[in-house]
Amino acid sequence: DGGITQSPKYLFRKEGQNVTLSCEQNLNHDAMYWYRQDPGQGLRLIYYSQIVNDFQKGDIAEGYSVSREKKESFPLTVTSAQKNPTAFYLCASNQDAYFNYGYTFGSGTRLTVV
Amino acid sequence: KNEVEQSPQNLTAQEGEFITINCSYSVGISALHWLQQHPGGGIVSLFMLSSGKKKHGRLIATINIQEKHSSLHITASHPRDSAVYICAVRSTSGGSNYKLTFGKGTLLTVNP
Repeated sequence: DGGITQSPKYLFRKEGQNVTLSCEQNLNHDAMYWYRQDPGQGLRLIYYSQIVNDFQKGDIAEGYSVSREKKESFPLTVTSAQKNPTAFYLCASNQDAYFNYGYTFGSGTRLTVV
Repeated sequence: KNEVEQSPQNLTAQEGEFITINCSYSVGISALHWLQQHPGGGIVSLFMLSSGKKKHGRLIATINIQEKHSSLHITASHPRDSAVYICAVRSTSGGSNYKLTFGKGTLLTVNP
């Protein structure tokens, strides 16, 4: 079955370290997204990518970086510049970022800074 | 004021009850999404609406574009319906029409 795989499910990081969250999809979707979820808040967009080798900042891109070298993969790196990285991170995809399509979400990665 | 407001924030029901979750938004939209988030964190897309009404099993979603309001109904609720239900809108405002704006979610607990 097609879907989105996020790994790992839980991740612990020491302060000052960079960490990369994986997101892979086999849905042949062009657009992929990274969202951050904090308690009591709605999901917020970090980055999105419409096509390979292109990505755009969302509302809270500071301290994060992404790459899109393959259509199937959209990894997110949480850098040491991110002041408050402890959060739940969700990856999503759909056919096109600029038209109305439904979204498929991954199961998320919970990052904790220790 | 948030662009997307959901009510109630928390809802507890007995098995079998009819449930309504509301979503109001303040911007022009091209689509509204209802999502379900289970305790493990993964999100499932339930509906995408731009007008009228959609039904899938025991779930019904309606939208009133003029009133900027949508409702999600669950008939004959069951404990397995317990989850966070999230409303999200796709704005038609220039520069932001590629992204979703999310409500904070409604935590539904259905007791047996």
